Amino acid sequence: GQNIDQPTEMTATEGAIVQINCTYQTSGFNGLFWYQQHAGEAPTFLSYNVLDGLEEKGRFSSFLSRSKGYSYLLLKELQMKDSASYLCAVMDSNYQLIWGAGTKLIIKP
Amino acid sequence: IAGITQAPTSQILAAGRRMTLRCTQDMRHNAMYWYRQDLGLGLRLIHYSNTAGTTGKGEVPDGYSVSRANTDDFPLTLASAVPSQTSVYFCASSDSNERAQYFGPGTRLTVL
Repeated sequence: GQNIDQPTEMTATEGAIVQINCTYQTSGFNGLFWYQQHAGEAPTFLSYNVLDGLEEKGRFSSFLSRSKGYSYLLLKELQMKDSASYLCAVMDSNYQLIWGAGTKLIIKP
Repeated sequence: IAGITQAPTSQILAAGRRMTLRCTQDMRHNAMYWYRQDLGLGLRLIHYSNTAGTTGKGEVPDGYSVSRANTDDFPLTLASAVPSQTSVYFCASSDSNERAQYFGPGTRLTVL
C-alpha cells in the first residue's frame, strides 16, 4: 500500500530552526509537495521537489532523497505565525496526491 | 479576487438529506479535486476531474457524486447524507503546466 509518515506534533522556540521529516512509500513518484495549514484554514502550497537535493525559498527549504523515500522541510528564524500544521504529499504514478496526516508545529516564545 | 470559492462555509444536515457543495474557480485550471479532511487523517481524495466533461473516482468515492459541465464549476453531491460524512470538505484545482494544487476555503459539514 501507499504510506506517508510524518511526526504528529513538534515544538520549537521562536527564532530557532526546526526540521520536519517525511518518509514515503508510494506506487510511483512524480514529485513531493509541502503545504502549510493554519487551524481552520485551507492548505497553502509551500514547495515542490521532484529531483534530489535542497530547494530554498526564503526562510523555508525542502530536501528530497528519492532513493531513501525521504524529505524534510526546514524552517529557519521561526516566527509565531509559523505555528501551523505542515502537510507532506507525494504525487504517485497516476498523478494523484497521497497525503500524510500532517505535523502540528507549536512555536513557543 | 482570483482563486477558488466554496459554498456553503458550513452546514448542519439531517441524515438522509441530499446536499450539494459548490466549488468555483476563476483561474482557468484544467483539473479540479474534492477532498475530505478528518482529524488525524491525511486529506483523502473523493473525486477528481482532469478536464471539463470528465470525472474520476478517488480513494473514498462512495456516497458522493460529481459533475464537470464547464471549466469553472465542480459541485459535489451527497445523495443521502450519513453521519460518517461529517467532515471538512476542500475543493482544489491545478493547472496542467504546474502540478501544485490550490485549495478553496473549505466547507464544514455536520450530518446528524
